[in-house]
Amino acid sequence: SAVISQKPSRDICQRGTSLTIQCQVDSQVTMMFWYRQQPGQSLTLIATANQGSEATYESGFVIDKFPISRPNLTFSTLTVSNMSPEDSSIYLCSVEGELYNEQFFGPGTRLTVL
Amino acid sequence: EDQVTQSPEALRLQEGESSSLNCSYTVSGLRGLFWYRQDPGKGPEFLFTLYSAGEEKEKERLKATLTKKESFLHITAPKPEDSATYLCAAASGGSYIPTFGRGTSLIVHP
Repeated sequence: SAVISQKPSRDICQRGTSLTIQCQVDSQVTMMFWYRQQPGQSLTLIATANQGSEATYESGFVIDKFPISRPNLTFSTLTVSNMSPEDSSIYLCSVEGELYNEQFFGPGTRLTVL
Repeated sequence: EDQVTQSPEALRLQEGESSSLNCSYTVSGLRGLFWYRQDPGKGPEFLFTLYSAGEEKEKERLKATLTKKESFLHITAPKPEDSATYLCAAASGGSYIPTFGRGTSLIVHP
């Protein structure tokens, strides 16, 4: 399975600011995914990022709020823009495994917005 | 709409006390049923993939089984280090993105 790292591991931010989360994979992957995990809730997919094309956002998530970059096959960033306390959550990136629909996750970024 | 429901929400066991976690799913054409383990402050760790009813997979004290409507994660003689949240996810034929349940928080007391 791929080894995935995320930066930062956690952060505390002020309302109205933006934070960019980085996701690095140790091997080339076609598809990368960004999830949000709020306390007591299931993982919610924010968007799918393919290299060389614009990210595909799920219902309820928009590019202006969560811009995503995917400059190559091993790296992606997610920006949480104009943050509010409701954005406090764990943000996870994941990549597809070798088997259909299989996914592997990074360690997550714990974001607290004051 | 695909749905995945896990029960119980929380489970407390004594060390050595075997039990099962349940994952009920409603998806159109199951492509795969996944189990993950998530420790506090970490990302989910992949455990198993099941593809068809009747399939079973084992890893140490864990065994996952699958029927047409639900999956069970059986934990035999658990140890405190098995304490974690266990997530279930199901992928349908119409989407390559699995739907996740809310998880079962397991605490094993020594």
